[in-house]
Amino acid sequence: EAGVAQSPRYKIIEKRQSVAFWCNPISGHATLYWYQQILGQGPKLLIQFQNNGVVDDSQLPKDRFSAERLKGVDSTLKIQPAKLEDSAVYLCASSPPSYTDTQYFGPGTRLTVL
Amino acid sequence: GQQLNQSPQSMFIQEGEDVSMNCTSSSIFNTWLWYKQDPGEGPVLLIALYKAGELTSNGRLTAQFGITRKDSFLNISASIPSDVGIYFCAGQGRPGNTPLVFGKGTRLSVIA
Repeated sequence: EAGVAQSPRYKIIEKRQSVAFWCNPISGHATLYWYQQILGQGPKLLIQFQNNGVVDDSQLPKDRFSAERLKGVDSTLKIQPAKLEDSAVYLCASSPPSYTDTQYFGPGTRLTVL
Repeated sequence: GQQLNQSPQSMFIQEGEDVSMNCTSSSIFNTWLWYKQDPGEGPVLLIALYKAGELTSNGRLTAQFGITRKDSFLNISASIPSDVGIYFCAGQGRPGNTPLVFGKGTRLSVIA
């Protein structure tokens, strides 16, 4: 079974630029999550989708971050404009229906904002 | 918001030694999870605990869900070099679509 795919793996941008990350969850997983992991910290949930609907986006900085999951499969997370403090690893995870504690993580995208 | 305090922050052990790390919270959690993260990878689920007092093993790993539902520990027996990594605890307040809250991790180094 293929795991959660993310791209790109690394991205370096300057502050005020825009960036987008892509995630393809495990086939059949209805729930998809985007996490931000700052160096030395555990992952922090940014947004959770159930199919193509948003379940929780309470910790998403909506003035600059946006995410979509249009067809209930792939998802993109965008930052516009980026700030220095957005430097982090952005992890995508997915879980099977009814098992939201069993989350499978992708390898992440490491973002550096200069 | 809910926070998990994980300790120790880091530890250096000799190969073959046993390891213990724990996680505490001021809030009650209904599910406790332990993940391992290798460099450049996402966290991988090791053990999930669903009931207060539950003791669960996965190979050389054993984890327990505290009776008060505010703590959990993870033990690794007879450590080997591939145990190196960062171990995270995570809690879920309610089953279902409740976000996981992660601790800050315990960085384990194993000296051969």
